[in-house]
This record gives sequence, C-alpha cells and structure tokens, in this order.
Amino acid sequence: GENVEQHPSTLSVQEGDSAVIKCTYSDSASNYFPWYKQELGKGPQLIIDIRSNVGEKKDQRIAVTLNKTAKHFSLHITETQPEDSAVYFCAARVAGGTSYGKLTFGQGTILTVHP
Amino acid sequence: NAGVTQTPKFRVLKTGQSMTLLCAQDMNHEYMYWYRQDPGMGLRLIHYSVGEGTTAKGEVPDGYNVSRLKKQNFLLGLESAAPSQTSVYFCASSYRPHRGGGDTQYFGPGTRLTVL
Repeated sequence: GENVEQHPSTLSVQEGDSAVIKCTYSDSASNYFPWYKQELGKGPQLIIDIRSNVGEKKDQRIAVTLNKTAKHFSLHITETQPEDSAVYFCAARVAGGTSYGKLTFGQGTILTVHP
Repeated sequence: NAGVTQTPKFRVLKTGQSMTLLCAQDMNHEYMYWYRQDPGMGLRLIHYSVGEGTTAKGEVPDGYNVSRLKKQNFLLGLESAAPSQTSVYFCASSYRPHRGGGDTQYFGPGTRLTVL
C-alpha cells in the first residue's frame, strides 16, 4: 500500500520567515495530495490540495508543489504568523475506484512560529 | 450546520471494558471514516463506510467494529479495550471522492480515550 513520509517532525521559525514541510510518497498511482492543519484540541482541517496534473498551487501565503517524477510534494508558508502554529499533515490518495477516498497521512510536523 | 460531531469527548476505560464512540454529520455525506491519532504516527484509518449499511476495513482495524445504520451516523465499537487502544479518535466525512467538491474530508473534534 501507499506509504507517506513527512519531514521535519518539528519546525521552529521566527514570525515573518518562511516554512517548508516536505513529504514523499511511494505509490506512483497516487493522484491527490491534500494538506491538513490541526490546531490544538481540534480536528484536522484542509488548507490546500493539489492533483497530479498540476505542478504548483498557491493560495495567499500558502503554496504546494508536486514533483511526480521524484514522488515528493511540499508545503510552503510565507510570511509566517503566530496563528500558523499548529500540526500540519500531508496525505496522499491512490487513484482508482477501489481507493474509496482513502487517504494515507504523513507523521505530522509541529510548526511553531515565534513572535 | 454542526458539521461533524463526536461523542464523548473524553473517556477512561479499564482493560476488557467495552464502549461505543458515536460520530454524527449533518452534511449529507456518503463517506465516513474513523481514524486514530498517535504521537509520531499521523492519522491511521481504522474503518470506513461508503454509504448507509456498508463498512470496510482500513489500515488498523483489529480490535474495532463499526456500524453505519443511518447515513448520518457512524459508530466505532471497542468490544474488549486494551491499553494499546489508548489514542485520540477522529471521525471524518466527505462526499463521494472524485466528483467536484468530494475530496475534502471534514473532521470532528476527536475523542480522547485512555485504557488503563
């Protein structure tokens, strides 16, 4: 089955700096890659996603890049703010009817933005 | 809309006890999922359902059972709790994936379970 590795496990930055979180996946049949943000005491929430037919997607201060050849994708947060502090999860979904929407998640990255 | 709700929020069990976690969603989603979250291991899929009356095993199904008698509810049962089942449990729901807007999974606030 699919395996997703996420790095780093913790990331500490100063407010205003950029943060980058990287993930690799194992199954070349994966075609959908979402990123979820989990604030303390809450459930994860989708912040951005990308499909395999796109190399990059941006939404304000957040961007995701995908390299299908190398089987890795990254989350980029620019001009970080204290409210960006949270746990971030990447995930991958294998294409095909039998996938039934099943996501395989990475291990998570604890991002801390210091004022 | 309340979105996805989970009951209870916290629970402490003794080894061998049983319990049921309830997940409810008011978004008319076809798909529902149960995950467990453990430190350093991300979210792992326990069971899922693609519609009322259907269930299927996920990545870590052993020791758990589920039922989806109503479209809006997805129940997770532990028949004989073990300390290894100490975790935070999240329920999620979505429309049928691969259609427009069907990819996003909406998560509940979680249930923190401790098994002594």
